[in-house]
Amino acid sequence: GAGVSQSPSNKVTEKGKDVELRCDPISGHTALYWYRQSLGQGLEFLIYFQGNSAPDKSGLPSDRFSAERTGGSVSTLTIQRTQQEDSAVYLCASSLVSDRGNQPQHFGDGTRLSIL
Amino acid sequence: AQSVTQLGSHVSVSEGALVLLRCNYSSSVPPYLFWYVQYPNQGLQLLLKYTSAATLVKGINGFEAEFKKSETSFHLTKPSAHMSDAAEYFCAVSDHAGGTSYGKLTFGQGTILTVHP
Repeated sequence: GAGVSQSPSNKVTEKGKDVELRCDPISGHTALYWYRQSLGQGLEFLIYFQGNSAPDKSGLPSDRFSAERTGGSVSTLTIQRTQQEDSAVYLCASSLVSDRGNQPQHFGDGTRLSIL
Repeated sequence: AQSVTQLGSHVSVSEGALVLLRCNYSSSVPPYLFWYVQYPNQGLQLLLKYTSAATLVKGINGFEAEFKKSETSFHLTKPSAHMSDAAEYFCAVSDHAGGTSYGKLTFGQGTILTVHP
């Protein structure tokens, strides 16, 4: 079946611009995660959505970052007033509902964001 | 809080040789552990997972890992390396401590595996 889909695959923008990254999870997966992968910091958790519960935003690095998930499916990660340190690959993952944290996450191919 | 340490950022083996990628974890509760592989310009693909069942876990592509509580380790092995195994490998631990019960992953820094002909 279809996997996790992310768009765009690449995004180049100027410093100070806003960007939106989209994630379409696997159908039936109620848990959705965003991670950031950068050379200096490795893979970092950003935000987690589970069903209709309030999202866990504990990994968002600043208030310039926000995310929403509409209708329990598609998610959008927004970065406002981008900075060069935001350059990274942004990965989205989804999984079945996890009441014990033991469900494997399925990852998209990521969006490579470059800030000029 | 959980943490993961992968020993060796780069490992190089010859084709046909044993692959051993090391992972040690720290967790306040019995851990759930995962190994993922990442090929260039792709996302992460699950190789195998340990979720408190058998301590020797078999995964895809001939990989396996053994959970050793006494050593807090979850090393990944493959008896015979293939050229197609060249990729970056990540060990991860799932956050399910304190009743929060969700699967946020904490990753190691990754190990790049190079396979020589």
